[in-house]
Amino acid sequence: QKEVEQDPGPLSVPEGAIVSLNCTYSNSAFQYFMWYRQYSRKGPELLMYTYSSGNKEDGRFTAQVDKSSKYISLFIRDSQPSDSATYLCAMSEGAGSYQLTFGKGTKLSVIP
Amino acid sequence: NAGVMQNPRHLVRRRGQEARLRCSPVKGHSHVYWYRQLPEEGLKFMVYLQKENIIDESGMPKERFSAEFPKEGPSILRIQQVVRGDSAAYFCASSLDRGPLSFFGQGTRLTVV
Repeated sequence: QKEVEQDPGPLSVPEGAIVSLNCTYSNSAFQYFMWYRQYSRKGPELLMYTYSSGNKEDGRFTAQVDKSSKYISLFIRDSQPSDSATYLCAMSEGAGSYQLTFGKGTKLSVIP
Repeated sequence: NAGVMQNPRHLVRRRGQEARLRCSPVKGHSHVYWYRQLPEEGLKFMVYLQKENIIDESGMPKERFSAEFPKEGPSILRIQQVVRGDSAAYFCASSLDRGPLSFFGQGTRLTVV
């Protein structure tokens, strides 16, 4: 079993839809959870950074962490064509940890 | 402000040649991290450097791979005697202090033929 599992998609939704992206993990030591957005042929950019369980909201994006289920989610409300990208989940054991464990990424297309 | 700059963007090498990948961090950042993304795989940590020091190279293959971050100039990831399995996207990130990693470069896509 891989440490982090993420459905690669592709996921295609109409503009304005609510998008749900998910990752599961096996290492209970993970405490910090991140979502990155990666446009085609670009580097990942950090979208959301959360600690432990709970929700965090930033504009149209909401990150959820359920440590009891080892399950994290990213919700995108009112999705836009500019949201079309690959979304990577990542996690680490410590706040200053530079050794992130990444999922493979989910490719999202938002159709106008 | 320029972000993390990597060059070249694309690099083609024949088996047995050497590949040199360069990373210029965000101005003022002294921590540099290299990650590799193999086809159909997630990004994997390779090495963490500060100026003139390798802090953690636990993710680097033991042979043929080396990294440096000199006092002046970019960080260099060097792969000697490349093999087809080295074909991947290599990303560099930088930070002012340790984590989280907000700034990744656009990557160097290495193809070994």
